[in-house]
Amino acid sequence: DGGITQSPKYLFRKEGQNVTLSCEQNLNHDAMYWYRQDPGQGLRLIYYSQIVNDFQKGDIAEGYSVSREKKESFPLTVTSAQKNPTAFYLCATQRGPTGELFFGEGSRLTVL
Amino acid sequence: QKEVEQNSGPLSVPEGAIASLNCTYSDRVSQSFFWYRQYSGKSPELIMSIYSNGDKEDGRFTAQLNKASQYVSLLIRDSQPSDSATYLCAVRAVRGSARQLTFGSGTQLTVLP
Repeated sequence: DGGITQSPKYLFRKEGQNVTLSCEQNLNHDAMYWYRQDPGQGLRLIYYSQIVNDFQKGDIAEGYSVSREKKESFPLTVTSAQKNPTAFYLCATQRGPTGELFFGEGSRLTVL
Repeated sequence: QKEVEQNSGPLSVPEGAIASLNCTYSDRVSQSFFWYRQYSGKSPELIMSIYSNGDKEDGRFTAQLNKASQYVSLLIRDSQPSDSATYLCAVRAVRGSARQLTFGSGTQLTVLP
């Protein structure tokens, strides 16, 4: 099946720990994105990548890191520097240079 | 002023009625407009995209764009309880960078049986 796979769906983290969220796609889309969603709020852009080995910070990049070593993969690491990491994290790919975004099922991170 | 504004709702309509969702944006160079549906606890799902002034229809959904007034709306005809969700408006500026895709905070719609 073509699509975007995020894992894990649910993740619990202790304070001070780094965690990595996986995002894999087989849609052959060049651009990939990470968004964060808090309850009752819209999506805020964390990082995005338009080509392999290149990525840019979004509006709320502090405390996060990414890599883009393969076209299919765009993992997000939530570091201990992120002060309020509990949120719903969404990975997306983009069809074409100005096309629509398509989202994975999301990963819900809870800090204990 | 927020870049993309939506009434947070909740908006309630009876089954079979027309639901009207509105979105205004502040960046005049915006060129691409999208509506996403998000069920509680799920990820957003693309419903409609619209790029030029006027109406675009797809089944029970109609998107309306008025660039002069800087608003885009979504009409849902013959609303069903399964349409109950949060609807997100997203706007992309002509500069073309993905960074410019901005989401509103969403309107929660409830369709009453």
